[in-house]
Amino acid sequence: DQQVKQNSPSLSVQEGRISILNCDYTNSMFDYFLWYKKYPAEGPTFLISISSIKDKNEDGRFTVFLNKSAKHLSLHIVPSQPGDSAVYFCAASAKTSYDKVIFGPGTSLSVIP
Amino acid sequence: GAGVSQSPRYKVAKRGQDVALRCDPISGHVSLFWYQQALGQGPEFLTYFQNEAQLDKSGLPSDRFFAERPEGSVSTLKIQRTQQEDSAVYLCASSRDRVYEQYFGPGTRLTVT
Repeated sequence: DQQVKQNSPSLSVQEGRISILNCDYTNSMFDYFLWYKKYPAEGPTFLISISSIKDKNEDGRFTVFLNKSAKHLSLHIVPSQPGDSAVYFCAASAKTSYDKVIFGPGTSLSVIP
Repeated sequence: GAGVSQSPRYKVAKRGQDVALRCDPISGHVSLFWYQQALGQGPEFLTYFQNEAQLDKSGLPSDRFFAERPEGSVSTLKIQRTQQEDSAVYLCASSRDRVYEQYFGPGTRLTVT
């Protein structure tokens, strides 16, 4: 029973265009969400996060949107660059157990020059 | 400063052997996490330490898995009597405080033959 879902295993986008990565969750207790980026043979690196009291958080080219009623969040990358090509993991945690982060299966993004 | 390091990077074990995987967290980081990542999946939580105290081990898949952090710094994940289903990448992460920004090591790829 996957609590964090990323239904698109892969995504290809032209350089300079917008990349939109989607994530759905089932556990209504989740109140903190994170995105991690992973290159091959490296560990995931933290990208951006959002608390459930917000519906948007922006950091440079990266923006995360949260729709609590739909239990959906998305990561927007504008403009996409070839160096953004990586696997992106959506992750979530609940205030009752902030030590336990639940990760989605990941979406592999390819940005084509 | 130095990031999280893990050793060995690759380990091949015959079924039934015991293995020990080491994690050196970022100096001063109180929290340490272990994850298991199967091929094509996101990291799955195994266990969490705050300093030397193991506060959550609910993700350990069986009693063959054991983790320790005796002095609140370096941690070791031990797997006894390895089975083929233990083959995965084992990731270690550390953070200043609980979950908010975890820094991951490169992982140890364990292959059980």
